[in-house]
Formats: sequence, C-alpha cells, structure tokens
Amino acid sequence: SQQGEEDPQALSIQEGENATMNCSYKTSINNLQWYRQNSGRGLVHLILIRSNEREKHSGRLRVTLDTSKKSSSLLITASRAADTASYFCATDALASGTYKYIFGTGTRLKVLA
Amino acid sequence: KAGVTQTPRYLIKTRGQQVTLSCSPISGHRSVSWYQQTPGQGLQFLFEYFSETQRNKGNFPGRFSGRQFSNSRSEMNVSTLELGDSALYLCASSFTEYSEAFFGQGTRLTVV
Repeated sequence: SQQGEEDPQALSIQEGENATMNCSYKTSINNLQWYRQNSGRGLVHLILIRSNEREKHSGRLRVTLDTSKKSSSLLITASRAADTASYFCATDALASGTYKYIFGTGTRLKVLA
Repeated sequence: KAGVTQTPRYLIKTRGQQVTLSCSPISGHRSVSWYQQTPGQGLQFLFEYFSETQRNKGNFPGRFSGRQFSNSRSEMNVSTLELGDSALYLCASSFTEYSEAFFGQGTRLTVV
C-alpha cells in the first residue's frame, strides 16, 4: 500500500488563485519531500521538510508538516499556468535498516489562464 | 553541476527480450534509486544502491535487477520483458538516504 496519499487527486484553479494539496502517510518519518512532474517527464525536487520542522517556504511554495496527524500540505500561492503539473509527496520508510522513499499517488493540478 | 542523466530516453522492445537502462548520478552522490512509474500503479520503488551495494529492494520479480559501479553509475536490467513492463523508469540520486533525491528525465520503455 502507498505510504503517502495525496488529496485531492485532481485540482483545477484559475491563474492567480492559491492551490493547496495534502499528503497523508502511515508510519514515522525522518523527512518528507515534495516533487513536481510535468507530462510524464522526470520529477523536479521542490522542498524537503524534516520531521522536526513544522513549516518551510521556497518562493511561492509553502509546506507544512504535522507529524501528530501524519500529514503535510503544499501551498502554491498566486498560481501560474506553468504550475500545471502533477505533484507528489515522498516519505522515507525504514526498510532493512535503511530508508527508502515511497511516493504517493499524486495530485494533478491544472491552472487555467 | 550536471544533473542525473538517464540513457536512453526512449526504448521499444519486444516481449521476451531483455533491456538495460543506465543512470549517471550527480557528481558526489553515492545513493542511486530506481522507480517504475505507470498510470495504474504510480511510482513504485524498485531498488536502491549505495557504494555498489543494494540496500533495499521493492516488490518486483527477479527479472528486475540492477547494479552500481565504483563511480556510482548504475544500471538496471529487465529480462524476459512482458507487456506490463511498459513504463517510465526513473532514477534518482542523493548524497545520503536522508538528503534530497534528484531525478533524471527517465527512460520510457515500451514493450510490444
């Protein structure tokens, strides 16, 4: 089963609006990463937030982490058409004594011009 | 510095054949992970290598294998290809397992 589950699965907004995506996970983590993927191409790393951090910013991106609820959110402010992409969260999961990243199912964001 | 490079970008193979995909990580990164992405299953972890050792393996059949060389470059091999192996194969490198993982553009494999 997926470690991370994004919500909603799809989101359509107007340019200039804010977009919020959520990610829930099941087990304890060391960190959580958010990625963007355009049209089945490679994933672009957006932000890494560690388990002892609650909020992190990068440009128009704001990520929060609530370890008590095992959830994270990604906020994109003042969205642009170029933000149209799929967004994934990835959480590290302990396996065989070392960590590997497990990805959620993704949120497909469409920003309408 | 150069990003993660995957070759080839596109491949078409016939059922029953075998294929080798290559991944060159970012300079200095010793951890390389492989993922399979399909519309139905999403991003599935295949395996992870660190300093030439496979540290983790996902739930894939033995037809999927990989290795890492002393220069951290990695290859994955799929033998006896099946139609269901058609997917985008992504490679990611990171300095350690706790740091940001950076992805290549992927290799799109089509099995006919």
